[in-house]
Amino acid sequence: KQEVTQIPAALSVPEGENLVLNCSFTDSAIYNLQWFRQDPGKGLTSLLLIQSSQREQTSGRLNASLDKSSGRSTLYIAASQPGDSATYLCAVRPGGSNYKLTFGKGTLLTVNP
Amino acid sequence: GAGVSQSPSNKVTEKGKDVELRCDPISGHTALYWYRQSLGQGLEFLIYFQGNSAPDKSGLPSDRFSAERTGGSVSTLTIQRTQQEDSAVYLCASSLGGMADYGYTFGSGTRLTVV
Repeated sequence: KQEVTQIPAALSVPEGENLVLNCSFTDSAIYNLQWFRQDPGKGLTSLLLIQSSQREQTSGRLNASLDKSSGRSTLYIAASQPGDSATYLCAVRPGGSNYKLTFGKGTLLTVNP
Repeated sequence: GAGVSQSPSNKVTEKGKDVELRCDPISGHTALYWYRQSLGQGLEFLIYFQGNSAPDKSGLPSDRFSAERTGGSVSTLTIQRTQQEDSAVYLCASSLGGMADYGYTFGSGTRLTVV
């Protein structure tokens, strides 16, 4: 059974700092991995999707990497801003025809002005 | 539509009542999912629809929960005889499905409170 772990559970940083969020998964037979952002009381917003054949994806100040063989992904946020404060979730999709996502419990990020 | 639309955004109901939650996926997305997010917990898979295939109901927590998807588009999640432990945010997502899978788009969710 796939398990997804996110470390740390919470992170507080001063504005402007670069930071890394970690995601690990136990079964490396994945189809893709997706990073989401969730603001309090809101749904999920997709940030980056990495297919299993890819090593990284970038969008603006965000960069996500994937090391499938070791079961790890990182989300790098450059020059953090208070507006980046949210919970960040990673989710893996299994291979084959199984479309169910397995989510980590998230990292609660607070960026202090 | 441009995104996944869920209604209502908030629902307060009395214990024992039935509730219906609606999800309108992105036009053309063949796959539709329901997830539940309880306070302090991760997202929990409930049910998955893919095209005209039989749905994968393996995540439904009890027989009080059911869902249907009419015409391959709009989906309704029904909870009968609601209990306090059903209180959660119910999230719907859709995706293109198939091998051209470009990820999942989630709606804003329905926050259900059972009092």
